[in-house]
Amino acid sequence: DTEVTQTPKHLVMGMTNKKSLKCEQHMGHRAMYWYKQKAKKPPELMFVYSYEKLSINESVPSRFSPECPNSSLLNLHLHALQPEDSALYLCASSQDAGWGAQNEKLFFGSGTQLSVL
Amino acid sequence: ELKVEQNPLFLSMQEGKNYTIYCNYSTTSDRLYWYRQDPGKSLESLFVLLSNGAVKQEGRLMASLDTKARLSTLHITAAVHDLSATYFCAVNTDKLIFGTGTRLQVFP
Repeated sequence: DTEVTQTPKHLVMGMTNKKSLKCEQHMGHRAMYWYKQKAKKPPELMFVYSYEKLSINESVPSRFSPECPNSSLLNLHLHALQPEDSALYLCASSQDAGWGAQNEKLFFGSGTQLSVL
Repeated sequence: ELKVEQNPLFLSMQEGKNYTIYCNYSTTSDRLYWYRQDPGKSLESLFVLLSNGAVKQEGRLMASLDTKARLSTLHITAAVHDLSATYFCAVNTDKLIFGTGTRLQVFP
């Protein structure tokens, strides 16, 4: 299994809603990532988890809350989002952990297209 | 701050033609990645270049890395419509930073 699975594929939410994005991989990877991608722009790193611990937070607003319940799962909890948060949210994983993980190939999920109304 | 720039940003080319996409980056790194993204889809890893002078080829695509010049190229040979996509390079320092992207459109 070389897939990173993300659910849901599409999500529409109001600014007062609370929702969660889910990501799962069964490749035994120890590093997992959240990226945000606006239309026609490159992906931007949000969070990195290494061995289930948050290792990088790219100054992301607190309305985005990541969670890594175990080495195979990664969640992104959303609360009180703004319309400008509408984007494609990509989860990725890589084999190694820590800084070394950044040297490894990232496997990306198919993403969640989020629209905030 | 690391900057990763690609050019061109948009490329429209005829089937059968050759072209090169350039990726320049602003700080020392010996690891560079190329990804492909179809509209509304995820990123697919194409190449991982791990050292100066590295060259990798897959089908009609060939990637190379010159760490001294801080330059990577993605060469397209005899383009076909299926290659139409956005191509990103990405550079590793303490985190993976993506280039600006090149949107490639191949027409008959």
